Amino acid sequence: QKEVEQDPGPLSVPEGAIVSLNCTYSNSAFQYFMWYRQYSRKGPELLMYTYSSGNKEDGRFTAQVDKSSKYISLFIRDSQPSDSATYLCAMSAMDSSYKLIFGSGTRLLVRP
Amino acid sequence: DTGVSQDPRHKITKRGQNVTFRCDPISEHNRLYWYRQTLGQGPEFLTYFQNEAQLEKSRLLSDRFSAERPKGSFSTLEIQRTEQGDSAMYLCASSPRTLFVYEQYFGPGTRLTVT
Repeated sequence: QKEVEQDPGPLSVPEGAIVSLNCTYSNSAFQYFMWYRQYSRKGPELLMYTYSSGNKEDGRFTAQVDKSSKYISLFIRDSQPSDSATYLCAMSAMDSSYKLIFGSGTRLLVRP
Repeated sequence: DTGVSQDPRHKITKRGQNVTFRCDPISEHNRLYWYRQTLGQGPEFLTYFQNEAQLEKSRLLSDRFSAERPKGSFSTLEIQRTEQGDSAMYLCASSPRTLFVYEQYFGPGTRLTVT
């Protein structure tokens, strides 16, 4: 079993919809949680990061962390065709390296 | 701030050849990471540097792989005697010198194809 599980999709929604992307994890040592967006054949782009539990909002994006359930979410409001990409969740423990453990990514398609 | 850069962007090589990739981190970022990503998977950690010191290596990093970061600036990743299983995207990320070191910024990656 992987440390971080993420539904691969694809998830297809109409333009303007609210998108919900989720990850579950098994390692209770994870303290930092990140969401990256990756377009085809490009490097991951950092969207949001949060520490421990709670919510964080940035424009159309909201990240939620529920450590008691080992569950994190990313919500995208008013989705646009330009949001079509693969979304990767990543997490890190408070160890010396802060290396990231990634989910396998969810492919999102926003239809015009 | 020009971001993390990687060179080359794409490398095609024959099995058994050696290849070397370069990563230039964001200036003044003291931590540098290498990850490998295969199709349909998330990136997997390979190794990381704090300044010029290589402090952790993944079990994925076989003895055919070597990484350096001379003078704590750019880094190189060399793969000797390449195998078809080495075909992947090799990603570099850098992280700033902050109290809570968890933001990692990725470069565009080097796509390696071993024929």
